[in-house]
Amino acid sequence: QKEVEQNSGPLSVPEGAIASLNCTYSDRGSQSFFWYRQYSGKSPELIMFIYSNGDKEDGRFTAQLNKASQYVSLLIRDSQPSDSATYLCAVNMLNYGGSQGNLIFGKGTKLSVKP
Amino acid sequence: DVKVTQSSRYLVKRTGEKVFLECVQDMDHENMFWYRQDPGLGLRLIYFSYDVKMKEKGDIPEGYSVSREKKERFSLILESASTNQTSMYLCASSLYLYGGLAVYNEQFFGPGTRLTVL
Repeated sequence: QKEVEQNSGPLSVPEGAIASLNCTYSDRGSQSFFWYRQYSGKSPELIMFIYSNGDKEDGRFTAQLNKASQYVSLLIRDSQPSDSATYLCAVNMLNYGGSQGNLIFGKGTKLSVKP
Repeated sequence: DVKVTQSSRYLVKRTGEKVFLECVQDMDHENMFWYRQDPGLGLRLIYFSYDVKMKEKGDIPEGYSVSREKKERFSLILESASTNQTSMYLCASSLYLYGGLAVYNEQFFGPGTRLTVL
């Protein structure tokens, strides 16, 4: 079973607030976790990856991983209108080709940041 | 700079036509992937390849075939286009990984081809 679940949204936050995006996955053998941002009409681009439990920070972005709960999240601090996009969670599942490079993608959460 | 290019950004074809979508990467990646993306359905894997001349079916291979004659190039072929193949097609590439180590294997995406089949 290879499932990556995300709330489809839209998630609407005011400018300057913290946006919290969540993702759960089905395979306990998963090892690497990625967050991609996709603007409307564009292709996905990587913004964060994480493979150890805990938090990883990069500028305004923080990825959080809890393997026991099979849960990964992305926090965006000081949200800007330019952060408005769809955010895709992707998981490297070893039981589904992960050791060779396959990723399983969620359907994405649409984020809208209101000025 | 990492680059994946696709032959067309927009393409309009007629039902029954044979359609070729080309993807080229300049990162010397072993892995290449073809996805289609539709509203509400997310990214769905069509075919992938771990090496030259090899190919593996993804989740929705029906109606498609692929070709990988050179490491840097991965082509998606619609043998007889149908209206239900109207979609955004995305190509991606990544490094090949050995063993079951926890590794960073980002997939780099091309700009996409929006295909309309009339």
